[in-house]
Amino acid sequence: ETGVTQSPTHLIKTRGQQVTLRCSSQSGHNTVSWYQQALGQGPQFIFQYYREEENGRGNFPPRFSGLQFPNYSSELNVNALELDDSALYLCASSQGIFTYGYTFGSGTRLTVV
Amino acid sequence: QKEVEQDPGPLSVPEGAIVSLNCTYSNSAFQYFMWYRQYSRKGPELLMYTYSSGNKEDGRFTAQVDKSSKYISLFIRDSQPSDSATYLCAMSELGNEKLTFGTGTRLTIIP
Repeated sequence: ETGVTQSPTHLIKTRGQQVTLRCSSQSGHNTVSWYQQALGQGPQFIFQYYREEENGRGNFPPRFSGLQFPNYSSELNVNALELDDSALYLCASSQGIFTYGYTFGSGTRLTVV
Repeated sequence: QKEVEQDPGPLSVPEGAIVSLNCTYSNSAFQYFMWYRQYSRKGPELLMYTYSSGNKEDGRFTAQVDKSSKYISLFIRDSQPSDSATYLCAMSELGNEKLTFGTGTRLTIIP
């Protein structure tokens, strides 16, 4: 059974650019949640996707958007990057919406310069 | 005021000691309480999960929830160097998919 895999592991972008982060969920999991973890902080909820539909969203602007594909993999897109977007972006998968057995990936470290 | 408060540490204790980690919260709607462990350059790993008040034990780990005081704790007995990591508390409301995390406590176990 594979875990949650995220790609890329690191990347550097320039302010104003756009970025796409990818996540493959754990086998058997149909729900994907994305979190942003700034340095020295706990993860903050961005949004969740269940069966290809956005199921809930945290306090993030519309330039943060996502997709979930039929195989339950997911993408996080961020437009018009700002310096404060520099963070570790974590993907978590689960079986169902209201289960608390999330499995997190190792994250993508995004640096905006 | 943050919904979940957690002392960031760092906390250093000798090997074999009992470690106590704590979080307080302000949202009385929180019903699910979790502790995650996060090693450097890794994602959080679920350690303990508790619903409502009470205690839960799993090996060397004990989680306690006191909803009347809005206070949760994680105890680690016979601490090992491999326990050195950042410990995050997380909470959720019933029927809400969002986890609200504390800032994490960085723990070092000294051999």
